[in-house]
Amino acid sequence: KNQVEQSPQSLIILEGKNCTLQCNYTVSPFSNLRWYKQDTGRGPVSLTIMTFSENTKSNGRYTATLDADTKQSSLHITASQLSDSASYICVVSEGYSSASKIIFGSGTRLSIRP
Amino acid sequence: NAGVMQNPRHLVRRRGQEARLRCSPMKGHSHVYWYRQLPEEGLKFMVYLQKENIIDESGMPKERFSAEFPKEGPSILRIQQVVRGDSAAYFCASSPDPPAANSPLHFGNGTRLTVT
Repeated sequence: KNQVEQSPQSLIILEGKNCTLQCNYTVSPFSNLRWYKQDTGRGPVSLTIMTFSENTKSNGRYTATLDADTKQSSLHITASQLSDSASYICVVSEGYSSASKIIFGSGTRLSIRP
Repeated sequence: NAGVMQNPRHLVRRRGQEARLRCSPMKGHSHVYWYRQLPEEGLKFMVYLQKENIIDESGMPKERFSAEFPKEGPSILRIQQVVRGDSAAYFCASSPDPPAANSPLHFGNGTRLTVT
């Protein structure tokens, strides 16, 4: 069964610290992996998209990595800010046709404390 | 270029009434997705539509729920005879390409449905 598992479920860190969120998937065939940020009460916003051949991609203080062999991805946040408090969602696309599916993880809820 | 627009932002319905949720995708986007989110939970896929066609409705309850994306106008998610369990945030996303392409989904800010 195609699944996307994220850990930890929730995380609290102090402002200015770094953190890493994990995503493991069993989706096959794999098309791409995306990380989204969802602020409370808002829709998710795309942070990064990676294909099979990419193993790292950065967007400001956010750096995503992908190991397609072990089917693992991570999102590293550097020098966290209060505005980073949000849910971070890992999303994997399965298949190559127009009927391919997008599979969402349940997210990691990150809280940044001052 | 306006983002994905959803309306209304908040919708209150009594049990048994109908709820109509609208989603205008970004300009040039012909792929629309609907998701449901309960408080403190992740997004759950409901339906994927491409102009005038339902591609995947595997996440949609068999009864009372329907979705359309007509040639002209917004996509509509319709819930008939609402029950308290339908209370949730409903998010719409759009994309110019199918899921396998490397285009991000653009999300609206959701419609919060409350059934009293």
